[in-house]
Amino acid sequence: DTEVTQTPKHLVMGMTNKKSLKCEQHMGHRAMYWYKQKAKKPPELMFVYSYEKLSINESVPSRFSPECPNSSLLNLHLHALQPEDSALYLCASSQTTGTSHGNEQFFGPGTRLTVL
Amino acid sequence: AQSVTQLGSHVSVSEGALVLLRCNYSSSVPPYLFWYVQYPNQGLQLLLKYTSAATLVKGINGFEAEFKKSETSFHLTKPSAHMRDAAEYFCAVSDQGAGNMLTFGGGTRLMVKP
Repeated sequence: DTEVTQTPKHLVMGMTNKKSLKCEQHMGHRAMYWYKQKAKKPPELMFVYSYEKLSINESVPSRFSPECPNSSLLNLHLHALQPEDSALYLCASSQTTGTSHGNEQFFGPGTRLTVL
Repeated sequence: AQSVTQLGSHVSVSEGALVLLRCNYSSSVPPYLFWYVQYPNQGLQLLLKYTSAATLVKGINGFEAEFKKSETSFHLTKPSAHMRDAAEYFCAVSDQGAGNMLTFGGGTRLMVKP
């Protein structure tokens, strides 16, 4: 199984809502990532988890709260978002965060988020 | 700091024509280089990667790329374009020791005309 799954596929939320995005992989990868992608732009890294611990936070606003309950799951909790947070949110995983042998990242299909 | 430049945000070719998507990188150490493809409303799929084993790298869907250190380039080619190749293509670099963080180029949208 070389798949990263993400739910939901689409999400519409108001600025006062609380919602969560979910990501799952069963490849035994110990590194997981959240990216934000705006239209016609490359993905921007938000968070990196390594062995279930947050290792990189790219100065993301606190209205985004990541969580890694176990080695297969990665959540992104959303609260009090702004319309400019509307984007495609991508999850990815890799064997580790080491770079030996070109440790490629496998991406999920993304969640299309719209904040009203 | 590393960076990636993709020349041409849009490239249009006819079906059956050669595809050439350009990527230049800057890195202080030998990098790992990747090409990803993104179809509409989907995630990124790895096409190929360079990890210093061979300078000519073959990937999926008939694509290949050549690493040229002297030119700091990693251009993506395909001899004959298909309609299904129409997508967004991203070149990315990962420095050794950088925690496997990817730096992406701005992307190139490939359009294939019938």
